[in-house]
Amino acid sequence: EPEVTQTPSHQVTQMGQEVILRCVPISNHLYFYWYRQILGQKVEFLVSFYNNEISEKSEIFDDQFSVERPDGSNFTLKIRSTKLEDSAMYFCASSSWAARLQSSYNSPLHFGNGTRLTVT
Amino acid sequence: GDSVTQMEGPVTLSEEAFLTINCTYTATGYPSLFWYVQYPGEGLQLLLKATKADDKGSNKGFEATYRKETTSFHLEKGSVQVSDSAVYFCALKIGAFGGGSEKLVFGKGTKLTVNP
Repeated sequence: EPEVTQTPSHQVTQMGQEVILRCVPISNHLYFYWYRQILGQKVEFLVSFYNNEISEKSEIFDDQFSVERPDGSNFTLKIRSTKLEDSAMYFCASSSWAARLQSSYNSPLHFGNGTRLTVT
Repeated sequence: GDSVTQMEGPVTLSEEAFLTINCTYTATGYPSLFWYVQYPGEGLQLLLKATKADDKGSNKGFEATYRKETTSFHLEKGSVQVSDSAVYFCALKIGAFGGGSEKLVFGKGTKLTVNP
């Protein structure tokens, strides 16, 4: 079964450094998402992306964050200047066009295994 | 705002025990409700879903019924196995009639350990 893959599985960076988290969504999926989970907290929505632009973002997703689909297969999350509070597990997800059209908005998201980001 | 509250974990059970993980929600629209599961070292996987009141989602022996009157979506399984050990997340997504949204709103997750 196709999978969403994320790299690296664990990233350690120093405060103030830029970090790029990488994801390869399922190949025929058109909707892409980033979520994060701070240790012991809820999984939180960051951003959704469709047709090469952000379709929705949360208030967490401020100017320090950006997303890109640089080459038609990768989907990246960039944090420009990391803070200690950015330490979390970051999950990438994707969903298909057919699923997205379901009027009840019950489209299943396929998640990657996550990247654990540690900011020191 | 929209939110999901799950029972605090961790939950430890013996094999073949009955499982209930409570989940309640607050939503401004008409949500679809989901249970996701995360096995050790893996990503979140959709376990089951329900899209309207009184719907029952089921998969792999797990069930949950969408109860609008109590705003609940409790997860149950009659006889758990060691292989069910995982973290379980309750989540909602606001449906089209509520304005629609891309985002899933998750609970904190409940860690289940099943001992042989």
